[in-house]
Amino acid sequence: KAGVTQTPRYLIKTRGQQVTLSCSPISGHRSVSWYQQTPGQGLQFLFEYFSETQRNKGNFPGRFSGRQFSNSRSEMNVSTLELGDSALYLCASSWTGGEDTIYFGEGSWLTVV
Amino acid sequence: AQSVTQLDSQVPVFEEAPVELRCNYSSSVSVYLFWYVQYPNQGLQLLLKYLSGSTLVKGINGFEAEFNKSQTSFHLRKPSVHISDTAEYFCAVTLSGGYQKVTFGTGTKLQVIP
Repeated sequence: KAGVTQTPRYLIKTRGQQVTLSCSPISGHRSVSWYQQTPGQGLQFLFEYFSETQRNKGNFPGRFSGRQFSNSRSEMNVSTLELGDSALYLCASSWTGGEDTIYFGEGSWLTVV
Repeated sequence: AQSVTQLDSQVPVFEEAPVELRCNYSSSVSVYLFWYVQYPNQGLQLLLKYLSGSTLVKGINGFEAEFNKSQTSFHLRKPSVHISDTAEYFCAVTLSGGYQKVTFGTGTKLQVIP
């Protein structure tokens, strides 16, 4: 079956712009989580959604937001981009969260110039 | 809150030699523990996980890890590494029974030398 799909894979944005990243989870998975990966900070949890509700949130400013649709697909949005937002954004999905194995997509590479 | 420490940022090892990647965690409650591998320009792939039960966990690609509650460790081992094992390895923890807020370590880059 298809894995976690993230689009776009690569994008370049200018400071001050906003960006929307999309994630399609594995079929049947209802939990979707987002992570930011940078060389300096490593992998950091952004937020997790289950059945269109945000269940958990990391320590990121309000410029980072997300949502989940009824088909479990998820989007994350970053407004007023800063240079420091340049990172690999990873989406992961699982059946319900908790002890379920989470499966990661290949990520969206965001470069802010 | 839980935390994970991977003491070694890089580990060079010769091909066919054994390797141990160290991971220590901190939590006041029960946790689930994971090891993930990331190959260049790819996402993360689960190697193995500890939820409960036997403290020795076997994973894919010949890796195994041992949960040690008294030492709060979850070290990853492989008896004989291959060139294809060159990658970055992440230890991770989440609260047992909790939702998907996984805390990752800073990663260990395993470099297998031919």
